[in-house]
Amino acid sequence: GAVVSQHPSWVICKSGTSVKIECRSLDFQATTMFWYRQFPKQSLMLMATSNEGSKATYEQGVEKDKFLINHASLTLSTLTVTSAHPEDSSFYICSASFSHTEAFFGQGTRLTVV
Amino acid sequence: GQNIDQPTEMTATEGAIVQINCTYQTSGFNGLFWYQQHAGEAPTFLSYNVLDGLEEKGRFSSFLSRSKGYSYLLLKELQMKDSASYLCAVKDSNYQLIWGAGTKLIIKP
Repeated sequence: GAVVSQHPSWVICKSGTSVKIECRSLDFQATTMFWYRQFPKQSLMLMATSNEGSKATYEQGVEKDKFLINHASLTLSTLTVTSAHPEDSSFYICSASFSHTEAFFGQGTRLTVV
Repeated sequence: GQNIDQPTEMTATEGAIVQINCTYQTSGFNGLFWYQQHAGEAPTFLSYNVLDGLEEKGRFSSFLSRSKGYSYLLLKELQMKDSASYLCAVKDSNYQLIWGAGTKLIIKP
């Protein structure tokens, strides 16, 4: 299957700082990338859908100024959590799709804000 | 609204068979997916159904009935490594994945 690489796998940051998470499709061109957040023992929650070269579409309740998404190329999308706070601590997962079938997931990023 | 229902938790014995059910109500249907997720890891793809019927892949099989809005994932010859959460997801009319809450499967020796 196609490979999606997400970096970093885990990160600890101080409250008030910003953190950037990268999502790369290694062997295919991903026209669409999705960013999810998952709190412990809960399901995946879609945060935003990112299309290459255009602004991301955010789900209701997700602050676009706090969670900056950039999809500058067909193989790279980034999520920046700005002015992070402890309540932003979560598991962030990206997925990429090039067809209408399966989505391929990155390894996920465990963010802890202290 | 859109919703996907699956049991919260199930327990089964090593070597046995377990069936995890999923019912859905979505705006449009463009396929149903089953994913496996171990704690702290990203989901991994298991199966995809878009037509009614059974799809078999090794120890895992997935069934779909579009008229009933129903699917199940069947796991045979259970192994301890099968202990994980199993997520049912449906692609709606916008090809957006709608996720169920997941079923935590506990395998006992």
